Amino acid sequence: GENVEQHPSTLSVQEGDSAVIKCTYSDSASNYFPWYKQELGKRPQLIIDIRSNVGEKKDQRIAVTLNKTAKHFSLHITETQPEDSAVYFCAASRTSGTYKYIFGTGTRLKVLA
Amino acid sequence: DVKVTQSSRYLVKRTGEKVFLECVQDMDHENMFWYRQDPGLGLRLIYFSYDVKMKEKGDIPEGYSVSREKKERFSLILESASTNQTSMYLCASRVEDTQYFGPGTRLTVL
Repeated sequence: GENVEQHPSTLSVQEGDSAVIKCTYSDSASNYFPWYKQELGKRPQLIIDIRSNVGEKKDQRIAVTLNKTAKHFSLHITETQPEDSAVYFCAASRTSGTYKYIFGTGTRLKVLA
Repeated sequence: DVKVTQSSRYLVKRTGEKVFLECVQDMDHENMFWYRQDPGLGLRLIYFSYDVKMKEKGDIPEGYSVSREKKERFSLILESASTNQTSMYLCASRVEDTQYFGPGTRLTVL
C-alpha cells in the first residue's frame, strides 16, 4: 500500500539552531503535502502545506520544500525556539476522490534552551 | 474558524463493552475521518466517510464500525472493546484540501 516515511523520529537542537525533518512518499499521484504540529496533550494543527505545482513555500521561520521527481518533501524551521518543541507529522494526499491522508510516523522535536 | 468537537476527552471502559465515540463538525463538511494515534505509529486511519450513510474502511478497520446518519456527526463504534484498543482517537473533518482535527478522546480499556 501507499506509505510515507518520515525521518528522524526524534530531533534535539539548541535554541536558535535550525531543524530539518524529511519525508518520502510512494504514491506518485499525491499532490498535496501538509505538515502538522502536535503539542503535548493537544490536537494536531496545520502549520504549513505545499502543492505539487510549487517547489518551496515559506511562512516566517517555517519553510517546506518539495522534490516531486524524488518524491521527497522537507520541513525547515529556522531560529528554533522552545515553543517549537512538539511532534511534527507530514502527510501526502491526492486532492480528489477520497482525500485520504497518508501520514508519516512523526518527529519529536526538542529545542534545548 | 473550523470547529470539530469530540464527545469525551477521557473514557474508561471494560473489556467486552460497546463503546461509542462521537465527532461533530459545524461547517457542513462532506469528508470526515477517524484515526487512532499510538506512540511510534503515527496516525492510522480507521474509517472515513464522504457523505451521509457513506463510509469506507481505512487501514485498520478491524474491531471498529462507524455511523454517519447526519452530515455533521460521525460516530466510531467499538462493538466489543478489547485492551488492544486502548489508544488516543482523533476525528478530523475536511475543508477544501485540509483536514482539521478534534481534540481527541483518550480511551482506556481495562
